[in-house]
Amino acid sequence: KAGVTQTPRYLIKTRGQQVTLSCSPISGHRSVSWYQQTPGQGLQFLFEYFSETQRNKGNFPGRFSGRQFSNSRSEMNVSTLELGDSALYLCASSFDPRSYEQYFGPGTRLTVT
Amino acid sequence: DQQVKQNSPSLSVQEGRISILNCDYTNSMFDYFLWYKKYPAEGPTFLISISSIKDKNEDGRFTVFLNKSAKHLSLHIVPSQPGDSAVYFCAARDNNNDMRFGAGTRLTVKP
Repeated sequence: KAGVTQTPRYLIKTRGQQVTLSCSPISGHRSVSWYQQTPGQGLQFLFEYFSETQRNKGNFPGRFSGRQFSNSRSEMNVSTLELGDSALYLCASSFDPRSYEQYFGPGTRLTVT
Repeated sequence: DQQVKQNSPSLSVQEGRISILNCDYTNSMFDYFLWYKKYPAEGPTFLISISSIKDKNEDGRFTVFLNKSAKHLSLHIVPSQPGDSAVYFCAARDNNNDMRFGAGTRLTVKP
């Protein structure tokens, strides 16, 4: 069974631009969560989607948004990029929101200059 | 708000010895705890978990201990191997399915 895939793997953007990251969950998984990882902050929860609906949202500004498609694929968008948005963005999938174990993708390394 | 804390950013142990990674939490509503291991350029992978109704769970060389009264859990790796060198994240989930992660501890196992 193929794992969680994320594209692109690496991205360099400049301040003020916007970016869209993509995540394809494991086949059959319907829940997708997004996390931001920065040094010293660990993994911080961005949002969770299930059946095309956002179930939970972390404490991030409105510049961070996401969506989920009918095939469970998910995208997250960051508008008006700031230097502090430079991070590893991880997507995780699970069968449904009640599943405790999540399977992570390799992440997208975003660098904002 | 750091509801899950891993106060040691790094740990170095000798091959064959025990590695003990610690994690503290503040939210008493957490009912499930997980440890993830992360290698560079890869996403975290699930390692071991424990429900709040237990105080110990063992899987091969890995054992997780939970002390609810102290709001503390630990991961023991015995014996440690060089391939265990990675960043370990502690995570906790509450009854709303909200998951919180610690900042991670980088474990280095020296041959």
